[in-house]
Amino acid sequence: GAGVSQSPRYKVAKRGQDVALRCDPISGHVSLFWYQQALGQGPEFLTYFQNEAQLDKSGLPSDRFFAERPEGSVSTLKIQRTQQEDSAVYLCASSPREGGSAPLHFGNGTRLTVT
Amino acid sequence: AQSVTQLGSHVSVSEGALVLLRCNYSSSVPPYLFWYVQYPNQGLQLLLKYTSAATLVKGINGFEAEFKKSETSFHLTKPSAHMSDAAEYFCAVSGDAGGTSYGKLTFGQGTILTVHP
Repeated sequence: GAGVSQSPRYKVAKRGQDVALRCDPISGHVSLFWYQQALGQGPEFLTYFQNEAQLDKSGLPSDRFFAERPEGSVSTLKIQRTQQEDSAVYLCASSPREGGSAPLHFGNGTRLTVT
Repeated sequence: AQSVTQLGSHVSVSEGALVLLRCNYSSSVPPYLFWYVQYPNQGLQLLLKYTSAATLVKGINGFEAEFKKSETSFHLTKPSAHMSDAAEYFCAVSGDAGGTSYGKLTFGQGTILTVHP
């Protein structure tokens, strides 16, 4: 596809369930980011991959959050034992190169609701 | 550490009026600055970016922003608002202009723009 694709678009989970969110970046994009956007807030950084290497995971809020990008393309964000405070939109973004000036291309996000 | 402050969580203008969305940043190094727009249930779309070239940056859909180092500001403007401009706007700062940053963005809280007919 032409853009960043995320699936599912909506996910409802009962508290305590595990969820997996998928991101298909633009083909050939080296950099991949995950952001969490709570209702009425700006996106907040979770983690960064350069190809398959996870170079920064400083934004992951707890050890229940885990991300991977094993072949340097598709990425999965996994949340174990979901809590209500995990309810948010999870945005994936990719960029063709590493570097502060490179604009990020965002997907439409996955809206997670934990009941 | 970097931070972004967007003054005004909601801005309302009439169609055809000037749009001014305010953004101030804090950065210990020369920053890269961005404005993104988010329509309901969609991801963020880049409007424009400042990367230490011209201080007045022109973007898509008639928007522009001026980098003012002395004021640590990067306000977004559009001379004449259109109904289709109604959306949420985010200012963001990235890394440093020295090229050592990988592009991690720090966002402001967002400003919802409403355009009245």
